[in-house]
Amino acid sequence: DAKTTQPNSMESNEEEPVHLPCNHSTISGTDYIHWYRQLPSQGPEYVIHGLTSNVNNRMASLAIAEDRKSSTLILHRATLRDAAVYYCILRAHRTALIFGKGTTLSVSS
Amino acid sequence: DGGITQSPKYLFRKEGQNVTLSCEQNLNHDAMYWYRQDPGQGLRLIYYSQIVNDFQKGDIAEGYSVSREKKESFPLTVTSAQKNPTAFYLCASSISAGGKGQETQYFGPGTRLLVL
Repeated sequence: DAKTTQPNSMESNEEEPVHLPCNHSTISGTDYIHWYRQLPSQGPEYVIHGLTSNVNNRMASLAIAEDRKSSTLILHRATLRDAAVYYCILRAHRTALIFGKGTTLSVSS
Repeated sequence: DGGITQSPKYLFRKEGQNVTLSCEQNLNHDAMYWYRQDPGQGLRLIYYSQIVNDFQKGDIAEGYSVSREKKESFPLTVTSAQKNPTAFYLCASSISAGGKGQETQYFGPGTRLLVL
C-alpha cells in the first residue's frame, strides 16, 4: 500500500484558514485520497475524498497536486470544534483503511 | 437516526477472561470492520466482513474472534490469548467492501477495554 506523510502537529487560530498537507509520492493511478478526522475519545469521521480534481464539501476542500504526489486539506475557517487528529489515507481496492499517526490540529481562540 | 452503535462504552476484563464487544448498524451496509487503537497511534485492522457469514483476518487478528450471523451485527470477542488487550476498539461499516476505493467508512463511538 502506498504511504502518506503528514506533519505530526499544526496550530491555528480560530476563524483563520488551515492548510493541512499530505505527501504521497508513491500514489498509484487508482488510489483515492481520503481524509478522516478523529476528535478526542471518539471514532474517526469522514471529511472528504478525491481522485484527481479538487473537491469541495460543507466541511472542507481538498486540493490535489497535478502530479497527485501531494494534497492539502483546507478548512476555510477553523473553529475550536475542528481541533482533532486529521488522517490522510490512500485507498484503492483494499477493503479497509490504513491509518498512520495523522496530524494533530490545535485551534486557539 | 441511522448509524453505528457500540456497547459498552467501557469494559473491564479480568486475566484469562473472554469478553465480547457489541457492534450494530442500521445503515444497511454490507461491509463491517473492527479496528484497534493504542494511545497516540493510528487505527489497526483486526477483522473485516464483506457479507453475512463471511469474514477475513486483518493485520492483528491473533487473540480475537468475530462472527457475522446477521447483516446488522458484527461482535468482536477478545480472548484470553490476547495478552495486551487494553485499547480503544472501533467498529465501522461501509456500503460495500469492493468497488474502486471511493467508499466511505462510518465509525461507531468506540469501546475502551481495560484489564483489571
